[in-house]
Amino acid sequence: ETGVTQSPTHLIKTRGQQVTLRCSSQSGHNTVSWYQQALGQGPQFIFQYYREEENGRGNFPPRFSGLQFPNYSSELNVNALELDDSALYLCASSWGVLSGNYNEQFFGPGTRLTVL
Amino acid sequence: LAKTTQPISMDSYEGQEVNITCSHNNIATNDYITWYQQFPSQGPRFIIQGYKTKVTNEVASLFIPADRKSSTLSLPRVSLSDTAVYYCLVGGGEEYGNKLVFGAGTILRVKS
Repeated sequence: ETGVTQSPTHLIKTRGQQVTLRCSSQSGHNTVSWYQQALGQGPQFIFQYYREEENGRGNFPPRFSGLQFPNYSSELNVNALELDDSALYLCASSWGVLSGNYNEQFFGPGTRLTVL
Repeated sequence: LAKTTQPISMDSYEGQEVNITCSHNNIATNDYITWYQQFPSQGPRFIIQGYKTKVTNEVASLFIPADRKSSTLSLPRVSLSDTAVYYCLVGGGEEYGNKLVFGAGTILRVKS
């Protein structure tokens, strides 16, 4: 059973560019959530995908968008990058949608994005 | 949203019991409380989850009072390897649009 993987590990972009981050879910999981973690802060929920549809979104602007594919892997796209977008982007997979009784989320190691 | 508040940091010594309390005054009826552990340059790792009263597993216990406005993570006999950031997480209920809220985290430093 493979864990959650993310690519790339590190990425450097300049302001105004676009970036795509990728996540492969743990085997058997159908739900993916994305988080942004700024240095010294806790992860902030961006959005969640369940069976290829968005199923919950945090307070992030529309330039943050995502996709989930039939094999349940996922992408996070960020357009018009800003300096404040520099952070660790975490992907987490789980089985079933997030609800009050939600199932354990398994996190990947993250992608470190630096915007210059 | 169910915002959480935790102590910024705590220090302890090896072999001691550590209790970290999280406040979540606006927790929704259907929300569970979950704690995660995070080491530097790694994603968070699940520790324990509960709804009310007490939950215990092989690594920790979680105490939740009847009003559910707070919770306490208890780590028995900590070791140096327990040095990490601990996050209290509530949310996921449909009342809040399935959003999840991590607290700012508590930095636990275990000393020898």
